[in-house]
Amino acid sequence: KQEVTQIPAALSVPEGENLVLNCSFTDSAIYNLQWFRQDPGKGLTSLLLIQSSQREQTSGRLNASLDKSSGRSTLYIAASQPGDSATYLCAATGNQFYFGTGTSLTVIP
Amino acid sequence: GAVVSQHPSWVICKSGTSVKIECRSLDFQATTMFWYRQFPKQSLMLMATSNEGSKATYEQGVEKDKFLINHASLTLSTLTVTSAHPEDSSFYICSARVGGFYTEAFFGQGTRLTVV
Repeated sequence: KQEVTQIPAALSVPEGENLVLNCSFTDSAIYNLQWFRQDPGKGLTSLLLIQSSQREQTSGRLNASLDKSSGRSTLYIAASQPGDSATYLCAATGNQFYFGTGTSLTVIP
Repeated sequence: GAVVSQHPSWVICKSGTSVKIECRSLDFQATTMFWYRQFPKQSLMLMATSNEGSKATYEQGVEKDKFLINHASLTLSTLTVTSAHPEDSSFYICSARVGGFYTEAFFGQGTRLTVV
């Protein structure tokens, strides 16, 4: 069964700092890897989708990479802002979504 | 991106009553929708996969008679929590893919259920 792990579980950084969130998965047979943001008490907002044949995707200050062979994905956030504070979830997708445990990010003004 | 709308966003009900949660894909058709449950500070747990025109597929440990799923059309799936008890209080989220397995998934805003 696919297992997805996210490190660190929590992260606190000063505003303006660049940061990296990590996601690892045990089964490389995935269709794609998707990153989400979840604000407290809210649903999930899709940030980036990397298909299994791709290496990375970029959207604004966000860049996500995928290395299927090593079972890793990273989400890079440039010039962090207080509004980036949220929980970030990655999901490795096959027939269903396998979610990581999330990284709770706090950006301090 | 595509929009998945979930209603209600929160509901409080008395123990023993039933509650229905709706999940709609607003600008695309979804042959498959997914229902998740999320406990505080935990990740999402898949409850069931809802298939239009057929029975839902439930994950191990999820009571199908407790959590009734109906996927009546290509844009609507409903989750009914029957005879709710306080332990059913949780955050429920639905999602849908815009196409097949390789396509992006979009999530509803979630429903906070409190059973008193």
